Amino acid sequence: DTGVSQDPRHKITKRGQNVTFRCDPISEHNRLYWYRQTLGQGPEFLTYFQNEAQLEKSRLLSDRFSAERPKGSFSTLEIQRTEQGDSAMYLCASSLPYRLAGDLNEQFFGPGTRLTVL
Amino acid sequence: EDQVTQSPEALRLQEGESSSLNCSYTVSGLRGLFWYRQDPGKGPEFLFTRYSAGEEKEKERLKATLTKKESFLHITAPKPEDSATYLCAVQGVNYGQNFVFGPGTRLSVLP
Repeated sequence: DTGVSQDPRHKITKRGQNVTFRCDPISEHNRLYWYRQTLGQGPEFLTYFQNEAQLEKSRLLSDRFSAERPKGSFSTLEIQRTEQGDSAMYLCASSLPYRLAGDLNEQFFGPGTRLTVL
Repeated sequence: EDQVTQSPEALRLQEGESSSLNCSYTVSGLRGLFWYRQDPGKGPEFLFTRYSAGEEKEKERLKATLTKKESFLHITAPKPEDSATYLCAVQGVNYGQNFVFGPGTRLSVLP
């Protein structure tokens, strides 16, 4: 399968615990995005990487959230001291490099990680 | 601030009953408008991109059109397997690389 993959698919944790999610983008995609989606809503942008550089962060991304993409390939999203309001689907997407796609910024999504905070 | 609304919130159709979904947006400089399909518990699946008003594209029973303020996703003779949530997203010149998504339209096609 050459699509975007995410791990784990489901995570149940207790309030106050730390969790980490992993995203593996499509291999030739150097642009990577994290979104959060709650029930009945569309995805909300969290952060954007171009290669290993984190270039954009939403104001929704509190200081308990941190994302990394150390070698410009896979990315991790960590949530510290989880709260019940963090329960959501966390989606990762990737897209082709700008030099190949230009303004054709078509983002391809992974299956998501469903987080439940008890 | 860029905003996207979608209507109706939910739509129930009989198999074969054609209809349209609406996506209205306010964005300062549209770079692109994107339609996705999302099945329960899964990530959004890319359907179409629109970059300029007047464009149309077709994919099986789906056709997307774009004007300066809205986009329509036309569904012709839908089948039960078309049941899903359809999401619209815009990318504006002031919002970098991220998309602003609408809340989606939940489509149910009954056999």
